[in-house]
Amino acid sequence: DTGVSQDPRHKITKRGQNVTFRCDPISEHNRLYWYRQTLGQGPEFLTYFQNEAQLEKSRLLSDRFSAERPKGSFSTLEIQRTEQGDSAMYLCASSFGSQGGDSPLHFGNGTRLTVT
Amino acid sequence: QQPVQSPQAVILREGEDAVINCSSSKALYSVHWYRQKHGEAPVFLMILLKGGEQKGHEKISASFNEKKQQSSLYLTASQLSYSGTYFCGTEGRNTPLVFGKGTRLSVIA
Repeated sequence: DTGVSQDPRHKITKRGQNVTFRCDPISEHNRLYWYRQTLGQGPEFLTYFQNEAQLEKSRLLSDRFSAERPKGSFSTLEIQRTEQGDSAMYLCASSFGSQGGDSPLHFGNGTRLTVT
Repeated sequence: QQPVQSPQAVILREGEDAVINCSSSKALYSVHWYRQKHGEAPVFLMILLKGGEQKGHEKISASFNEKKQQSSLYLTASQLSYSGTYFCGTEGRNTPLVFGKGTRLSVIA
């Protein structure tokens, strides 16, 4: 168990640029989640996958955000035309679960995005 | 829909006890509890499932009232290492985990 790995740890970008983050889950985990966290707030759900299928995407999430999990292994989160309001910590988590949520989430250390 | 946690913050002296509450307006299948220290990722503490099953650490206890859609986390004989922000997360049967805003716990000597 090497843990959930996220890359990069930090990203500074100018407004309007596109950015892509990568998450490598724990190898035997079939579920993968993306959350966003700003200072003093709880993790905000963005989207999640079971294997390669994207099960749900937050309705509050702009169309500028897209995520993929090809072959059910690693995942990427892309933000197009970044805005200053996108500045946050982006957390990835994985679990081994079936329907109903009886497995704990294991979080990566996150990617901190700063949009200038 | 985001669960509501209370209190927002609490300060304890070592050895004191605390209770953190979490409530939801939606029917729940499970409640998760996580602790996050400054600059670190959230770490799993406990899961409470509809029907009474619990999974988690031995030194932490929690309750889950299914009828009221409420959960409470009990921290007893607090230690300095208990300091951090505690989040509850709630799930319906086929819906993803949604977290509350957190309860900031500070334990002082």
